[in-house]
Amino acid sequence: DQQVKQNSPSLSVQEGRISILNCDYTNSMFDYFLWYKKYPAEGPTFLISISSIKDKNEDGRFTVFLNKSAKHLSLHIVPSQPGDSAVYFCAASRNTDKLIFGTGTRLQVFP
Amino acid sequence: EAQVTQNPRYLITVTGKKLTVTCSQNMNHEYMSWYRQDPGLGLRQIYYSMNVEVTDKGDVPEGYKVSRKEKRNFPLILESPSPNQTSLYFCASSSQGSSGGYTFGSGTRLTVV
Repeated sequence: DQQVKQNSPSLSVQEGRISILNCDYTNSMFDYFLWYKKYPAEGPTFLISISSIKDKNEDGRFTVFLNKSAKHLSLHIVPSQPGDSAVYFCAASRNTDKLIFGTGTRLQVFP
Repeated sequence: EAQVTQNPRYLITVTGKKLTVTCSQNMNHEYMSWYRQDPGLGLRQIYYSMNVEVTDKGDVPEGYKVSRKEKRNFPLILESPSPNQTSLYFCASSSQGSSGGYTFGSGTRLTVV
């Protein structure tokens, strides 16, 4: 049973435009949500997180939105840059123990 | 430099031959975890540890063992590897558990033939 879902395996965006990556979850008990970025041959790197008591968190070009009623979160990257091309994983946790990942979305930013 | 170090980076082994993948972190983190990454399945947690001598199963613990005798080390042990354990493995550590964001190692690509 996939508790965290990323339904788009890939996304292609032009440089300078907005990238929107989506993630859905099924467990309403999750209290923290995170986004990780992964380049080939490297481990995932932590990007941004949001607590379930908030609906938005911003860090530079990256903003995460949380819609608890829809059990949906999204990552916005504005403006997108070629260096943002990577696989993005969303993840969720409950009580700081297990971190459950989605299947990932491959973002390609083209010139 | 703050980091999580895994060894080896690549390993090919035969079915049934016991192996250990080492993981070490230099950040004095309490939390450590092992994940495997498979195509179409994302990252799945194998085991995690909240502190020395405290470990718990993740979502896919079958066929794996771990130990946490020291804070910095968290080895993953495959007593009798099988081909379905062919995967990309990541070790990670955190000071705040999953809410604080984990720092990941560079990965170990394991092939069991």
